[in-house]
Amino acid sequence: DAMVIQNPRYQVTQFGKPVTLSCSQTLNHNVMYWYQQKSSQAPKLLFHYYDKDFNNEADTPDNFQSRRPNTSFCFLDIRSPGLGDAAMYLCATSSLAGDGEQFFGPGTRLTVL
Amino acid sequence: KQEVTQIPAALSVPEGENLVLNCSFTDSAIYNLQWFRQDPGKGLTSLLLIQSSQREQTSGRLNASLDKSSGRSTLYIAASQPGDSATYLCAVYSGGGADGLTFGKGTHLIIQP
Repeated sequence: DAMVIQNPRYQVTQFGKPVTLSCSQTLNHNVMYWYQQKSSQAPKLLFHYYDKDFNNEADTPDNFQSRRPNTSFCFLDIRSPGLGDAAMYLCATSSLAGDGEQFFGPGTRLTVL
Repeated sequence: KQEVTQIPAALSVPEGENLVLNCSFTDSAIYNLQWFRQDPGKGLTSLLLIQSSQREQTSGRLNASLDKSSGRSTLYIAASQPGDSATYLCAVYSGGGADGLTFGKGTHLIIQP
């Protein structure tokens, strides 16, 4: 089945130790998104790619970076995780040729020790 | 800046009841609205997508309505079941391009057996 896959599902890192989260999709969608969801809060958009064009939200910390080497894959790099970066990270895709529906992966739960 | 509010924040009802979850948004210039379900510690499952030109969408026991001019949407769940227990999130898509969704904080729903 076509889907959005995130790896790992659970990630534990130490304060200040870089970490990379992975997202892949088989939907062949041209837009990919990264959202951050802290406990009991609404998901918040960090950035998105339209094809290879990168769009950073104005309030996304510099500590967060992203790479999209091809249509199928997108990575979220956290250069120096702090305790406040512990959250669920959600990857989503959509097709601008479609009806605008966004499809989400299962998320990666990040714990920072 | 678009803001999405969901009321109530939490709801507990006995099994079998029909119930309504509410969502409001501040800027009526939306492209579409999505309702999602989120189980504890999991990602988002899309339930219904309503385009700005539509008034409602139905899927099984779920019915979502949209009143774009007043900035409101409701999710109606008929004959609730314990398996419906989850957090329900409303999200609006305001961009005409590749912008992300703006989410509400969700309604935490518990269906008592």
